[in-house]
Amino acid sequence: AQSVTQLGSHVSVSEGALVLLRCNYSSSVPPYLFWYVQYPNQGLQLLLKYTSAATLVKGINGFEAEFKKSETSFHLTKPSAHMSDAAEYFCAVSDWNNDMRFGAGTRLTVKP
Amino acid sequence: DVKVTQSSRYLVKRTGEKVFLECVQDMDHENMFWYRQDPGLGLRLIYFSYDVKMKEKGDIPEGYSVSREKKERFSLILESASTNQTSMYLCASSPPRATDTQYFGPGTRLTVL
Repeated sequence: AQSVTQLGSHVSVSEGALVLLRCNYSSSVPPYLFWYVQYPNQGLQLLLKYTSAATLVKGINGFEAEFKKSETSFHLTKPSAHMSDAAEYFCAVSDWNNDMRFGAGTRLTVKP
Repeated sequence: DVKVTQSSRYLVKRTGEKVFLECVQDMDHENMFWYRQDPGLGLRLIYFSYDVKMKEKGDIPEGYSVSREKKERFSLILESASTNQTSMYLCASSPPRATDTQYFGPGTRLTVL
C-alpha cells in the first residue's frame, strides 16, 4: 500500500521568506499526489495535484510542487510567505483504486 | 461551488450513547468518505462509499458503521460512543476517478465524556 511521510510537523518562516514543506511518498504503482491546506476551523481544500502530466505543478495562492520520481518526493514550495499562508498542510497519495493516504500534516507558522 | 455540509460543528456525547454524524454534498458526486483527524496522525479513513447503498471499510472501521440511502447523504454512526472516539471527523466527496479532487466539509469535533 502507498504512504506518505511529511518531514517536520512544524515549520516556521518569516514573512517574505521561502516556504518549503517536504513530502516523500512510497508507492508500488505510479502515484497520484496531492497537497491540501487546512485553515483553522475549516475542512481541507486542494492546493494542487500531480496526475502524471507535467512534473512541475502550479497551484493556488502561489504554491507549486515538483514530482521527482528518482527521489520519491513531492515537496511544496512558495517563493515568498504571506501571513495568510499560516495553516496546516497535508500531502496525500492515491492510486488508480482511489485509495488515498494522507501524511501526518505540517503546521506552517509565518512570523511578521 | 461544491458544497459539503456536516450536521454539527461541535458535539458532546456521553459514553455508550449512539451518535449520528450527517454529511450532505450538493454536486452529485459518486464517492463519499468519512475520515478521522487526530494530531500527529493526519487523516485516517473510516469508511467510504462509491455508490448508493455501497460501502467499503477503510483503515479504522472498528466501532463505526455508515449508511448511504441517498446519493447526496452519507451518515457515520457510532453505535456505542467511547472516549477514544473523541476526535475531529471530516466528510468528503468526489467524482469517481482516482485523479479527482476530494471536497471536504468543515468537520465535526466530537467529544465523548
